[in-house]
Amino acid sequence: QQQVKQSPQSLIVQKGGISIINCAYENTAFDYFPWYQQFPGKGPALLIAIRPDVSEKKEGRFTISFNKSAKQFSLHIMDSQPGASATYFCAASINTGNQFYFGTGTSLTVIP
Amino acid sequence: DTGVSQNPRHKITKRGQNVTFRCDPISEHNRLYWYRQTLGQGPEFLTYFQNEAQLEKSRLLSDRFSAERPKGSFSTLEIQRTEQGDSAMYLCASSSGTGGIRCFGPGTRLTVT
Repeated sequence: QQQVKQSPQSLIVQKGGISIINCAYENTAFDYFPWYQQFPGKGPALLIAIRPDVSEKKEGRFTISFNKSAKQFSLHIMDSQPGASATYFCAASINTGNQFYFGTGTSLTVIP
Repeated sequence: DTGVSQNPRHKITKRGQNVTFRCDPISEHNRLYWYRQTLGQGPEFLTYFQNEAQLEKSRLLSDRFSAERPKGSFSTLEIQRTEQGDSAMYLCASSSGTGGIRCFGPGTRLTVT
């Protein structure tokens, strides 16, 4: 079964807008929650990651919000730019070195 | 280029044939992972190595699949008697263990006809 559920499946945002992608998980043993960005023909690349001892982490335009009690986390992309058009995956793992469980992905299109 | 490299990038094979893919990880990374990604889905874990030891295998990895990492360097993933359901992108990644996976390789796209 899907260990990490991701929504929406696709998202269209105007340039300068805020993109929000949500993920939910069930396994409370997960302690590492990364987000990956994937462009066509490329492998996923790490964007930003968070551990459950913090509720928010920001790096540039990207912010992760984490709600441990709700077992949910989300990616916010501020001031979205056309170059950010890609597929975004959330993931979760028990420790950073073990297998990652990925969401089904969100295809983001930023319209100029 | 110090990223993860994979060869070949594309492979077309007929059903029933055997195929082998190669992954060259980032040199100082001791962990190496294989994932499979189908269209519109997130990567699914197949197996991972710490140095030359294969530590975990997914139930997705049937007995037709075998992976090796001799001497803890590059890795190969072999699929025997390929089936159409094996058509997917096979992704490799490496990590130092504590840092998590930063980047996957470009993948090998397998098409089984």
